[in-house]
Amino acid sequence: GAGVSQTPSNKVTEKGKYVELRCDPISGHTALYWYRQSLGQGPEFLIYFQGTGAADDSGLPNDRFFAVRPEGSVSTLKIQRTERGDSAVYLCASSLNPGARNTIYFGEGSWLTVV
Amino acid sequence: DAKTTQPPSMDCAEGRAANLPCNHSTISGNEYVYWYRQIHSQGPQYIIHGLKNNETNEMASLIITEDRKSSTLILPHATLRDTAVYYCIVRSNTGNQFYFGTGTSLTVIP
Repeated sequence: GAGVSQTPSNKVTEKGKYVELRCDPISGHTALYWYRQSLGQGPEFLIYFQGTGAADDSGLPNDRFFAVRPEGSVSTLKIQRTERGDSAVYLCASSLNPGARNTIYFGEGSWLTVV
Repeated sequence: DAKTTQPPSMDCAEGRAANLPCNHSTISGNEYVYWYRQIHSQGPQYIIHGLKNNETNEMASLIITEDRKSSTLILPHATLRDTAVYYCIVRSNTGNQFYFGTGTSLTVIP
């Protein structure tokens, strides 16, 4: 596709359940990022992939959060034992290469609501 | 990456130029200034970026001061569809996470 694609666009889940959020980056983009945005706040960094490896996962809030990118393209953000505080928009972004010269493009986000 | 400071909100009359300021006084020599905007319920949209020189594209112009401690995003003829939150971000070549802050909420008034 032309842009970063995220599925599902909306997800409502019960507290304690497991959730997977998928990101299809722009074709050929090697760098992939996950951000989280709470209501009224700017996006906050979660994790960055260069190729298949997580180069920086310092933004993941705790060990309930995990992300993979096994073939260096599609990425999945996994949240275990969801809590109400996990409710947010989860944004995925990609760039052709890492580094500040390369523009990062965002998807429309996956809206997660934990009830 | 250096942090940025932006006014929380601004208004602009439709058809007039919108000038959105950003302070990045701790920026270092290899850090780029990026601007994104976010329309309600959508993902952040890339607008423009620059290192030292002023830049212009089909969406906007970016004016960076000579000392690079501040910049201004200019929307030359604001329309109602430009109502959004505008984020000024500083990125380094070595940093892969960057700080959005809370941005400037621009309201274009008919």
